[in-house]
This record gives sequence, C-alpha cells and structure tokens, in this order.
Amino acid sequence: GQQVMQIPQYQHVQEGEDFTTYCNSSTTLSNIQWYKQRPGGHPVFLIQLVKSGEVKKQKRLTFQFGEAKKNSSLHITATQTTDVGTYFCAEGSSNTGKLIFGQGTTLQVKP
Amino acid sequence: NAGVTQTPKFRVLKTGQSMTLLCAQDMNHEYMYWYRQDPGMGLRLIHYSVGEGTTAKGEVPDGYNVSRLKKQNFLLGLESAAPSQTSVYFCASSTRPPSYGYTFGSGTRLTVV
Repeated sequence: GQQVMQIPQYQHVQEGEDFTTYCNSSTTLSNIQWYKQRPGGHPVFLIQLVKSGEVKKQKRLTFQFGEAKKNSSLHITATQTTDVGTYFCAEGSSNTGKLIFGQGTTLQVKP
Repeated sequence: NAGVTQTPKFRVLKTGQSMTLLCAQDMNHEYMYWYRQDPGMGLRLIHYSVGEGTTAKGEVPDGYNVSRLKKQNFLLGLESAAPSQTSVYFCASSTRPPSYGYTFGSGTRLTVV
C-alpha cells in the first residue's frame, strides 16, 4: 500500500534555531495531515493540507504541500523548548478516513 | 467534554491471556480507529470502523479483533496475548470526512510477559 517516508528521524537544535521535517511519497497524496506528540502524550492534530502547492501558517509553524502532491514539509521558525516532541505526517484517505502515518521526526531543543 | 476515553491506561498480561481495550467517544463521530505505537515504527493502524456495526482491517490486524456495537464505543480484543503485542495502543475518532483531523485518546500501555 501507499507509504509516506518522513525525514529526519531525529533532530537536535539549539533554542532559537529553525527546524524542518519532510514527508515524501512515491504516489500522489489525496491529502496530508500533521500531528504533534509530546513525550508521554498522545498525537494532537495540527493541520490538514489538501490542495497542490498549499501553504498554511500557524504562528511559527509553516506547512507546505508540494505542487505534485507527493511531498510535504513542516517548518518551525525560532524553536522554543515547548516545541519538543515528535511530529508526524499522515496520508489521508478521503473515502475511508483512515490515516497512514509516517515514522515521525523527534525534535529535541536545547535551552 | 471528555473527547476520547480509553480504559485501562496500563495493563500487564501473561502470554496467552485475553483482554479487551475499551474506547469511548462523546463527540458523535462516525469514524473510529485503533493504532499501536512502537519505538521507531510510528503509528500503525490495526482496525477501523466507518460507522456503527462496521469494522475493517488496517495495516496490522493479525491477533486482534474489534467490535462497534454502539456508535460511541470501539472495542479492541486480544484473544491470546503474545509478547509481540507489547505496545502503546491509541484509539482515535473523527468526523466524516475527517477534515478536522483525528481526536486521540490518551493511550493504553500494554505489556505482555
């Protein structure tokens, strides 16, 4: 079945540095969702991207969907310690609603 | 406003024992899902349901059964637990279509010894 590959697996940054995680697929994605999971917590929905080339912002977070709808990225500007956690992308199915998750990128932020 | 509630939160089973994990949502969501999360593996879909009385297999269904007798509840059963089923189990629910994303429960940490 379809699969989304997420890189990098881990990222350590100094507080104030930027961070980017990438999600790639070999096939065209119907839509893509992004989630954040704090250590010991559960995934929390951040955003859904549907349209080719779509860019959405949430404060310091910028989400992009590629023109060919085969890749997506999440960029965090000027990281803070509150950004620590694992960020997942997930490929969505419009008819069943099921999501297939990438492996996640775990972000550590040094104060 | 509880959202998605999972019980129990922790459980230790012996190999071969059976158990049922309960997921309850109070948001009137049509869709419900069971995932397992293992280190380095992300979240893998076990079974899902698109409505009361319906269930379907996900990526890793072997060794698990599910039932959705009521819209608000989604049960995950392990008939004969194996150490390979040691994991954190998450239940989630969503609207139809899931434009607003999934709402996850807080998880059940299961250890099979």
